[in-house]
Amino acid sequence: DSGVTQTPKHLITATGQRVTLRCSPRSGDLSVYWYQQSLDQGLQFLIQYYNGEERAKGNILERFSAQQFPDLHSELNLSSLELGDSALYFCASSARQRETEAFFGQGTRLTVV
Amino acid sequence: TQLLEQSPQFLSIQEGENLTVYCNSSSVFSSLQWYRQEPGEGPVLLVTVVTGGEVKKLKRLTFQFGDARKDSSLHITAAQPGDTGLYLCAGVGNNRLAFGKGNQVVVIP
Repeated sequence: DSGVTQTPKHLITATGQRVTLRCSPRSGDLSVYWYQQSLDQGLQFLIQYYNGEERAKGNILERFSAQQFPDLHSELNLSSLELGDSALYFCASSARQRETEAFFGQGTRLTVV
Repeated sequence: TQLLEQSPQFLSIQEGENLTVYCNSSSVFSSLQWYRQEPGEGPVLLVTVVTGGEVKKLKRLTFQFGDARKDSSLHITAAQPGDTGLYLCAGVGNNRLAFGKGNQVVVIP
């Protein structure tokens, strides 16, 4: 158990819909990272938050957004969903701003139908 | 374009055999990490290599960082079915991890 909790574990939704994925980092970790994993692209970095503030952006679509709350949990919002958004979405956390050792949650498997 | 290329993408071997998988890049990294991911789980960090030429051992797993800090290899001795999984390498640069697509290893009992 990495100590990072993601909910829900599975999510099936229709195209055009909006979903919210939730992540609770390890106790004491200030940084949260979101990744998307698909068979063809591998593990792609989306966005990082540190202590409530956005720190780095990767290949995140404009239809996607995230935030980190004062209690340090984070949410990833995906809107206007397309079939191609079907993937595993992982949250990871680390103690510091630098991503030198990341602990991953079990992921949310999103299926868009 | 993938920053880190891992080869082979898929490898199936018999229990007890040895195997080596590779992680290559044209970029220099301050350090490189190896993770193992099992089905339905997130990646789990195995090792971080920092110094060019560094070799680290974790039981039957041997990790090597290239002298130029652009590539790495993972060697498994006497593979066990429990070694089955997706091995991901990740380069650390600009305070961010860049992952390869992984080496899918299957060890057949």
